Amino acid sequence: DVVMTQPPFSLPVALGQPASISCRSSQSLVHSDGNTYLNWFQQRPGQSPRRLIYKVSNRDSGVPDRFSGSGSGTDFTLKISRVEAEDVGVYYCMQGTHWPPTFGGGTKVEMK
Amino acid sequence: QVQLQESGPGLVKPSETLSLTCAVSGYSITSDFFWAWIRRPPGKGLEWIATVFHNGSTYYTPSLKSRVTISVDTSKNQFFLKLRFVTAADTALYYCARLTPKDGYNFDYWGQGALVTVSS
Repeated sequence: DVVMTQPPFSLPVALGQPASISCRSSQSLVHSDGNTYLNWFQQRPGQSPRRLIYKVSNRDSGVPDRFSGSGSGTDFTLKISRVEAEDVGVYYCMQGTHWPPTFGGGTKVEMK
Repeated sequence: QVQLQESGPGLVKPSETLSLTCAVSGYSITSDFFWAWIRRPPGKGLEWIATVFHNGSTYYTPSLKSRVTISVDTSKNQFFLKLRFVTAADTALYYCARLTPKDGYNFDYWGQGALVTVSS
């Protein structure tokens, strides 16, 4: 299985400041069809996970444009340009290129 | 609108069997897509447990394969999880979710989660 690694587990951030979350996969996530199926999920306290980003950099409907995704091959990043209080929670990368789908361990964004 | 809702006992004794039900509304589980169980142990990340395909095929995460069964009841539009011989390490928030092959494999709808504690 593809291992997704997300250091560090906790990321304290001040309101209005940027945040950057990294994710690395144990093998390339480029699919034979040419797409890279790397997703980012947000899980707010007490809520189910919600997808924010798909195919590396595409925002889902309703996701604020302060969230952006980038990367290629095995290294990926989720950036929040200016953290707001509602952004507190755990962020997971997830690869959907290889079976079975696998998640990173999560990065907890909390207020400094 | 697709909705999923988990149900089952919140407390299971060690060595017994954890049984959960996921009721799906707004979409027929026989039509298409795949259906999955995922869990989140306290202080840890998400772990995919098992998936059942619309044709009845099943897949399990290797670390749990010997203890897990996923099944469906098409007449009730539900699918189920059974995890045998549980230990404290199986304490977790258990989610059911729809797995779509659109945009790669993706979980597009999730239940609210069911907390299961393994304790005597």
